[in-house]
Amino acid sequence: GAGVSQSPSNKVTEKGKDVELRCDPISGHTALYWYRQSLGQGLEFLIYFQGNSAPDKSGLPSDRFSAERTGGSVSTLTIQRTQQEDSAVYLCASSLEGQMNTEAFFGQGTRLTVV
Amino acid sequence: GENVGLHLPTLSVQEGDNSIINCAYSNSASDYFIWYKQESGKGPQFIIDIRSNMDKRQGQRVTVLLNKTVKHLSLQIAATQPGDSAVYFCAENGGSNYKLTFGKGTLLTVNP
Repeated sequence: GAGVSQSPSNKVTEKGKDVELRCDPISGHTALYWYRQSLGQGLEFLIYFQGNSAPDKSGLPSDRFSAERTGGSVSTLTIQRTQQEDSAVYLCASSLEGQMNTEAFFGQGTRLTVV
Repeated sequence: GENVGLHLPTLSVQEGDNSIINCAYSNSASDYFIWYKQESGKGPQFIIDIRSNMDKRQGQRVTVLLNKTVKHLSLQIAATQPGDSAVYFCAENGGSNYKLTFGKGTLLTVNP
């Protein structure tokens, strides 16, 4: 596609429910990143995928968070048993390779609200 | 100023003035820095980057200055326009080639 696409754009869920957030990266981009942005805060690194290499999951805040990338393209971030502190904007970015420089583009994010 | 809780540092300027946004970074291993602009409801957008072997880099209307001695980064915007109103983030790589650590951001408001 023309840019990084994320869905849904907004998600309201009840505490304790599971949610799935989707990211469609730019076609041909081998690197994919998930970041989280809490209200009024900077971006917090969550996870990084590069080609067929093992992902860097070091930023995932708890074992309730997981992500996968199927076929080297679309990625899904799953949050199980959501808590109110999970409320944030979840941003996905992609780049041609693992360099967060001029080639990295962010999607518009999914705003998650846990009530 | 310091970012406490939900309150971003803010900078308010008049259209046509120059703006300077500052950032202190923390990791001495960082050798690559980026400034991003984030408009309301959008993802961050790359503005300009700089590597640690430089202390100044210029783009179109923007200049980034890097002072490694005091771990300080600044973004200068010349002839600020209303369209420059956004939150500006600095980011450092901590020596990684893919993982960025972002600052908390500065809200720039340009008054017409």
